[in-house]
Amino acid sequence: AQSVSQHNHHVILSEAASLELGCNYSYGGTVNLFWYVQYPGQHLQLLLKYFSGDPLVKGIKGFEAEFIKSKFSFNLRKPSVQWSDTAEYFCAVIPNTGGFKTIFGAGTRLFVKA
Amino acid sequence: DAGVTQSPTHLIKTRGQHVTLRCSPISGHKSVSWYQQVLGQGPQFIFQYYEKEERGRGNFPDRFSARQFPNYSSELNVNALLLGDSALYLCASSSPDIWDTEAFFGQGTRLTVV
Repeated sequence: AQSVSQHNHHVILSEAASLELGCNYSYGGTVNLFWYVQYPGQHLQLLLKYFSGDPLVKGIKGFEAEFIKSKFSFNLRKPSVQWSDTAEYFCAVIPNTGGFKTIFGAGTRLFVKA
Repeated sequence: DAGVTQSPTHLIKTRGQHVTLRCSPISGHKSVSWYQQVLGQGPQFIFQYYEKEERGRGNFPDRFSARQFPNYSSELNVNALLLGDSALYLCASSSPDIWDTEAFFGQGTRLTVV
């Protein structure tokens, strides 16, 4: 079955620390990849997306993600986190099977200490 | 601009009852998707509708059904409620001439089954 794995359920960092959140998916074909973020009390919103082309994707608020096809991975990074990055982060995949099913990971809760 | 709106925001139902959740997409968006998010997990895909037709279905029992209206709003219906149906139900809309576009999420409906 198609699935998305996020390796860390909870991450605690101090401000200015670097961030990397892992995401792996299980599907051998072409995929579209997303990272969504949910800030406390707010709805899910898109951070960045990858459809094709340059595997290094830049999103909002200084986030970036790298698609490594051979590793079925789409890890999220930020060089220096801020207290305002405290949120829950979800990796999501749409397998290019002609369907419309978006598969989400379980999420990673990030807490940034001021 | 109005985002995706869902109603009601909170709902308490008894086992065996049915429930109808409503979603209004962003103006101009023709695609609506429904997700179930249980505490501690990522959103699970239930349905996607485009132009009033079902375009995708997740692994949910037949107790779950949905429809989309000519104005692109949508309803999610759940019959014979079980305790395990307690969750946050999210609606997302996307504009949609291509299937792999960004989803805009509403705040969700928190359903509690007692």
